[in-house]
Amino acid sequence: DAKTTQPNSMESNEEEPVHLPCNHSTISGTDYIHWYRQLPSQGPEYVIHGLTSNVNNRMASLAIAEDRKSSTLILHRATLRDAAVYYCILRGNTDKLIFGTGTRLQVFP
Amino acid sequence: DGGITQSPKYLFRKEGQNVTLSCEQNLNHDAMYWYRQDPGQGLRLIYYSQIVNDFQKGDIAEGYSVSREKKESFPLTVTSAQKNPTAFYLCASSPEDPGWETQYFGPGTRLLVL
Repeated sequence: DAKTTQPNSMESNEEEPVHLPCNHSTISGTDYIHWYRQLPSQGPEYVIHGLTSNVNNRMASLAIAEDRKSSTLILHRATLRDAAVYYCILRGNTDKLIFGTGTRLQVFP
Repeated sequence: DGGITQSPKYLFRKEGQNVTLSCEQNLNHDAMYWYRQDPGQGLRLIYYSQIVNDFQKGDIAEGYSVSREKKESFPLTVTSAQKNPTAFYLCASSPEDPGWETQYFGPGTRLLVL
């Protein structure tokens, strides 16, 4: 299974944009890039996913490098409710979700 | 509202006892999953099921058992063979199981050994 590398933690101030990086240099052509987040003592929540093109939804944007070896989750205006652990996951057509330790995002007022 | 429910929220197990964690979904999803999460760690897959009456082992199936008699239900039994069962257990479901499908997670059950 292709692996991802994320920073252990990041900090942001409220109302500022946040860019959460993810490296996946061994990604294969059929791997989708998924992002989930987990608030304390809750189950993970789907954020966004993409294959090749950048993606936007109401929660975030996903910017995928042209060579697909890295991606960035963008929260346009961080709020206190965005404080969570963010997981970047690669998933092929027959793979299961494999969660690493993710990036713990702290948001300060 | 559609979603996934897990019960109980907290569960205490005595040494040598089997316990069953409930997971129910009303999303009409075909695939269901059980994960275990230890403190400060990511989720690890225990079992998954893509269709009724069929299920497969995940990465850490030893000491656990499941059944899938109904589409909406996927209970997990933690047996006495699981020597370190204290963890946060999460159930999830998805419409199908290819790489682009997203998973929807329940609120989790925290299991503690007395």
